[in-house]
Amino acid sequence: QSALTQPHSVSGSPGQSVTISCTGTSSDVGGYNSVSWYQHHPGKTPKLIIYDVDKRPSGVPDRFSGSKSGNTASLTISGLQDEDEADYYCCSYERRYTYIFGTGTKVTVL
Amino acid sequence: QVLLVESGGGLVRPGGSLRLSCATAGFTFSDYYMSWIRQAPGKGLEWISYISGSGSSIFYADSVKGRFTVSRDDVTRTVYLQLSSLRVEDTAVYYCARDRVGATFDHWGPGTLVTVSS
Repeated sequence: QSALTQPHSVSGSPGQSVTISCTGTSSDVGGYNSVSWYQHHPGKTPKLIIYDVDKRPSGVPDRFSGSKSGNTASLTISGLQDEDEADYYCCSYERRYTYIFGTGTKVTVL
Repeated sequence: QVLLVESGGGLVRPGGSLRLSCATAGFTFSDYYMSWIRQAPGKGLEWISYISGSGSSIFYADSVKGRFTVSRDDVTRTVYLQLSSLRVEDTAVYYCARDRVGATFDHWGPGTLVTVSS
C-alpha cells in the first residue's frame, strides 16, 4: 500500500501551465475512474479540486483540469496564478476497498 | 452549510490511547461515508479509515489496522476514531472528511493534532 508517485515539485511563471502526474498501478489509478485531486495551502484545510478523474466541484476555476491515461493521472493548471502556489495531492480508490494518496507536489509560482 | 470539527487531540505517551471526535452539521449525516485522514509533520496526506453511512462497512489502512477503531453515532452526528497502541510515528494532524465515495473528500474539518512522545 505505497503512496502514488508524484513529482516532488513543479514551477511556472504566472500565466503559464503546469502539469502534475500521479502514477499508480492497475490496482488503483489504472483500474478505476475514482481519482481526485486536492489543493493544500499549509496551515489550511485541504480543498477538493478534481474528482472522478476530470470533474470539477462547483466553485473551482476551469483552469484546473484532470485526465488519466493508463496508470497515470494528471492535473493541469492553466493560466497559473499566485494563489495557486500550494501543495497538491492525488488520491485513488484501490482494489482492497481502501484509498491511497499521492506523495504530494509543491507548486511554486515564480 | 457543511461543518466538520475535530476534537480530542493532545499529547500521549507511546503505547497510550486517545479518542478523536468529529462533530458534523449541515447535511444528512446518515447518507454519507466519513473518512479519517492524517498528515504527519513534514509529510503528505495519508488516508487511514472510513465508515459507511450505515456503519456496516469499515476499512482501515494497513498502518493502523488492529490499533485504530472508527465508529459513528447518528444521534449526535459524530464520528469517532479510537487510537490505541500509539506509536511515535502516529504523530500527525488528524482530519475527518465527508466521503462521497470514490476517493472524493468534499468537506474537511480543520484537524486536530495528536503528538505521541515520551
